[in-house]
Amino acid sequence: GDSVTQTEGLVTLTKGLPVMLNCTYQTTYSPFLFWYVQHLNEAPKLLLKSSTDNKRTEHQGFYATLHKSSSSFHLQKSSVQLSDSALYFCALSPGSWQLIFGSGTQLTVMP
Amino acid sequence: NSKVIQTPRYLVKGQGQKAKMRCIPEKGHPVVFWYQQNKNNEFKFLINFQNQEVLQQIDMTEKRFSAECPSNSPCSLEIQSSEAGDSALYLCASSLRAEVFFGKGTRLTVV
Repeated sequence: GDSVTQTEGLVTLTKGLPVMLNCTYQTTYSPFLFWYVQHLNEAPKLLLKSSTDNKRTEHQGFYATLHKSSSSFHLQKSSVQLSDSALYFCALSPGSWQLIFGSGTQLTVMP
Repeated sequence: NSKVIQTPRYLVKGQGQKAKMRCIPEKGHPVVFWYQQNKNNEFKFLINFQNQEVLQQIDMTEKRFSAECPSNSPCSLEIQSSEAGDSALYLCASSLRAEVFFGKGTRLTVV
């Protein structure tokens, strides 16, 4: 069946360092991939949506590239800020109005 | 910013009581989702609608939950007889063209 895997449950970094959060997926359909960010007691907010294969998509300093060959859509940022501390979810839309979430990665940025 | 409105933000019910929550989707979005997010931050899909009609729902939703999305009225999700395991954040989302936007959720506590 369709699934999303996020391998890191917790990531702790110092401000200013780069980060990469892993996301791989499994589907037989032509997928849309998304990254959502959820701050404490807030709604999940759409951060990024995948574009075409091997094309980078960017928003608010975060970027990700859909690689169909490796079924991946890793989230990256070159320099994390304190305000980036949040839960990050990768999600797959394989079609038919479904949205399947990964288990989430808690990113904590230290001063 | 998401324009999906959920009420109430917090709901406390005793076991066996009914629990009802409402959602106003973003205007013009034809698809509405309900998800349950548990204390481990995992998302469980419950049900989705397209223009008031149910698209998909899980077994649990069929048996103990009832949901509707009438035209010109808020969507609603009701748990007929609350159980302790239903304590969670219930997220409503609406979608247009594969992008899904979430409300802030109703946090249900069953005591």
